[in-house]
Amino acid sequence: KQEVTQIPAALSVPEGENLVLNCSFTDSAIYNLQWFRQDPGKGLTSLLLIQSSQREQTSGRLNASLDKSSGRSTLYIAASQPGDSATYLCAVRKINDMRFGAGTRLTVKP
Amino acid sequence: DTEVTQTPKHLVMGMTNKKSLKCEQHMGHRAMYWYKQKAKKPPELMFVYSYEKLSINESVPSRFSPECPNSSLLNLHLHALQPEDSALYLCASSHLGQGVAEAFFGQGTRLTVV
Repeated sequence: KQEVTQIPAALSVPEGENLVLNCSFTDSAIYNLQWFRQDPGKGLTSLLLIQSSQREQTSGRLNASLDKSSGRSTLYIAASQPGDSATYLCAVRKINDMRFGAGTRLTVKP
Repeated sequence: DTEVTQTPKHLVMGMTNKKSLKCEQHMGHRAMYWYKQKAKKPPELMFVYSYEKLSINESVPSRFSPECPNSSLLNLHLHALQPEDSALYLCASSHLGQGVAEAFFGQGTRLTVV
């Protein structure tokens, strides 16, 4: 069974810093990996999707990379802002089975 | 339109009640999912429907009964729930089994069992 781990569990940074969130998974036979953002009590907002054949994807200040063979992905957030404060979750997918990590709770201080 | 709509947003029910959660999407997705999320925990997969057929059931108690009446709708019927079933219930949808298939989530139903 796929196990997904995210490090760190929580992160607090001052505004303007660049930061990296980590996601690792045990079964490298995945279709894709997706990064989500979740605000307290809300649903999940899709940030980036990386297909298993891709190495990275970019959207605005976000860049996600994937090293499938080593079972790792990183989400890079450039020039962090207070509005980026949320929980960030990665999910790995095989066929229609999508499993989540426990998330990284990010706080960006003004 | 990348919207997944869940109703109701909030639900309070007694342990003897029967209620249903509803999820709707119009993106032509043929995979639909139910997840349960407890506070400060990741979403846990409950059920997956592929082409309106149940393809994954993560050993969920029978007091939760899913239904997919057509390709746009997903229901979760609730009966005789326990207080520990209180959680945020999330619905998601995606195209089937392809690397490009991005999953989209609804805003969830906050369920409280009293």
